[in-house]
Amino acid sequence: AQSVTQLGSHVSVSEGALVLLRCNYSSSVPPYLFWYVQYPNQGLQLLLKYTSAATLVKGINGFEAEFKKSETSFHLTKPSAHMSDAAEYFCAVSDYNNDMRFGAGTRLTVKP
Amino acid sequence: DSGVTQTPKHLITATGQRVTLRCSPRSGDLSVYWYQQSLDQGLQFLIQYYNGEERAKGNILERFSAQQFPDLHSELNLSSLELGDSALYFCASSVGRAPTSDLFFGSGTQLSVL
Repeated sequence: AQSVTQLGSHVSVSEGALVLLRCNYSSSVPPYLFWYVQYPNQGLQLLLKYTSAATLVKGINGFEAEFKKSETSFHLTKPSAHMSDAAEYFCAVSDYNNDMRFGAGTRLTVKP
Repeated sequence: DSGVTQTPKHLITATGQRVTLRCSPRSGDLSVYWYQQSLDQGLQFLIQYYNGEERAKGNILERFSAQQFPDLHSELNLSSLELGDSALYFCASSVGRAPTSDLFFGSGTQLSVL
């Protein structure tokens, strides 16, 4: 079965610094990969997804992720962090069976 | 606002009891998904329905069951509740049944089993 591993349960950056949240996947078939964000007391919101088209995927709020098959990675980046980016971020993988598996999540803190 | 409505927002009950969580998907969405989020297990996929029929099954316990009604709302039934069932239960919906369909999540039902 497919799975994702998020490296680092907590990441702290300064406002204006690069955000890098790491995700590695395991899948025996070409995966569909997603990043979701969860703000306090809210449900998850889709940031971006990879569905076997362009390997560099741009999402909302200035985030992007690059699918690297050779590294089985789908890391999430943003050039300049904003205070409003503080949230929990989840990487997820799905296959044609629609069984979407989420990573454990990475809590992003942005320091002023 | 995602357009997905979950009720109730909070539920407190005792071990051994049975509860029903309700989800109304976004207008036009045919798929409904249920997830359980807890500190120790993370976010776990439970089950998916598409247009009234079960589409995919994840880590759903036999004590749990779900259904999707003709008006497309869904209910998740949890019975013989245990302390470990305390968690945040999310419902999500999507237009289609494909794995690439965007999921829209509700705000969740916080279940506390005492």
